[in-house]
Amino acid sequence: NAGVMQNPRHLVRRRGQEARLRCSPMKGHSHVYWYRQLPEEGLKFMVYLQKENIIDESGMPKERFSAEFPKEGPSILRIQQVVRGDSAAYFCASSARQFATTGHTHTDTQYFGPGTRLTVL
Amino acid sequence: SQQGEEDPQALSIQEGENATMNCSYKTSINNLQWYRQNSGRGLVHLILIRSNEREKHSGRLRVTLDTSKKSSSLLITASRAADTASYFCATGQGAQKLVFGQGTRLTINP
Repeated sequence: NAGVMQNPRHLVRRRGQEARLRCSPMKGHSHVYWYRQLPEEGLKFMVYLQKENIIDESGMPKERFSAEFPKEGPSILRIQQVVRGDSAAYFCASSARQFATTGHTHTDTQYFGPGTRLTVL
Repeated sequence: SQQGEEDPQALSIQEGENATMNCSYKTSINNLQWYRQNSGRGLVHLILIRSNEREKHSGRLRVTLDTSKKSSSLLITASRAADTASYFCATGQGAQKLVFGQGTRLTINP
């Protein structure tokens, strides 16, 4: 059972270009999360998607960033007109399910991909 | 302090010693997870502890959770050089995102 796959592993773009980052979740996982990590910092949540739905995009910048998780194929994080400040490692995670106990809804363990390191020149 | 803040920020010990890292958080949580990240690599999930659990073990790892103090600790016993990495705690809020701390950089000296 392959883990979470991300590609490319490294991506170099010039200012103003578009960056497309791909994430294939683990088999059987229908929940995908994108996180961004700046150097020497922890990960910051960006967006949470289920198949064909954006559930929570509270961590996404309002402009230039978009994400999708189509019925078929990988999840895509798209950054338009990249700027130097977009340089970071972008991690995708997937989880299997949510389940409910009395008074709580729990998300299963999130498994992370190897990340895409974006460098904007 | 930020949600999921680790302490100390850096820790250097001799191989064979035990390493203890702490994590504090602010809001109520459903679960707390610990991850390891080797330099320049992705995150490896270590252990998940739910809000109704107090202690959990996995191999050389021991995690405790004190919801009254909003804190957790990760203990690595009999450390090895391969344990050198950054360790992050992440709190699960609601059913969705994880909120990560800044991490503890652990160095095991041979």
